[in-house]
Amino acid sequence: QKEVEQDPGPLSVPEGAIVSLNCTYSNSAFQYFMWYRQYSRKGPELLMYTYSSGNKEDGRFTAQVDKSSKYISLFIRDSQPSDSATYLCAMSRNFNKFYFGSGTKLNVKP
Amino acid sequence: GAVVSQHPSRVICKSGTSVKIECRSLDFQATTMFWYRQFPKQSLMLMATSNEGSKATYEQGVEKDKFLINHASLTLSTLTVTSAHPEDSSFYICSARDTSGDRFTTEQYFGPGTRLTVT
Repeated sequence: QKEVEQDPGPLSVPEGAIVSLNCTYSNSAFQYFMWYRQYSRKGPELLMYTYSSGNKEDGRFTAQVDKSSKYISLFIRDSQPSDSATYLCAMSRNFNKFYFGSGTKLNVKP
Repeated sequence: GAVVSQHPSRVICKSGTSVKIECRSLDFQATTMFWYRQFPKQSLMLMATSNEGSKATYEQGVEKDKFLINHASLTLSTLTVTSAHPEDSSFYICSARDTSGDRFTTEQYFGPGTRLTVT
């Protein structure tokens, strides 16, 4: 079983839609949860970071962590074509090692 | 935000040759850098953690004699793929953690990646 599972997509939505991206994990020791955005042939860039359970909002992005279900989500409101990218979840126990999901490819159609 | 560069961005080499990839933190010091490998449609897999001035820590299953890592300064780490074979073809990405103490310490800043193709 992989440490982190993520649906690879692709996920195609119309502009303005609400996007929901999700990851599940198996290791209950993970405490830090991140979402990265990766454009084609580029390195990942950090979008959101959450510690333990709870919600965090930053503009159009909301990250949710449910540790009891070992499930994390990223919501994108009012999605834009510029949001089209691959979104990677990542998690860590103590920052010494990050475990990444395989990424979900998102396409927002104008 | 902090910038990490990688060089080269793309390299094609013949089987049996060695290739060196550089990772530089341009505007911050990084005592710790990480090397990842990413196969198409797969997640980033940590290969090794590179610490300035000491030996790198390799993940299980990664051959340290094949993937040589040197972190000689606070802004530069290199990964050398020795005796490369076609199965080593992949996207290699480095990241660096800003350890200056006045930034969000959990963030790893990623380089743009190096596409290695071994023929």
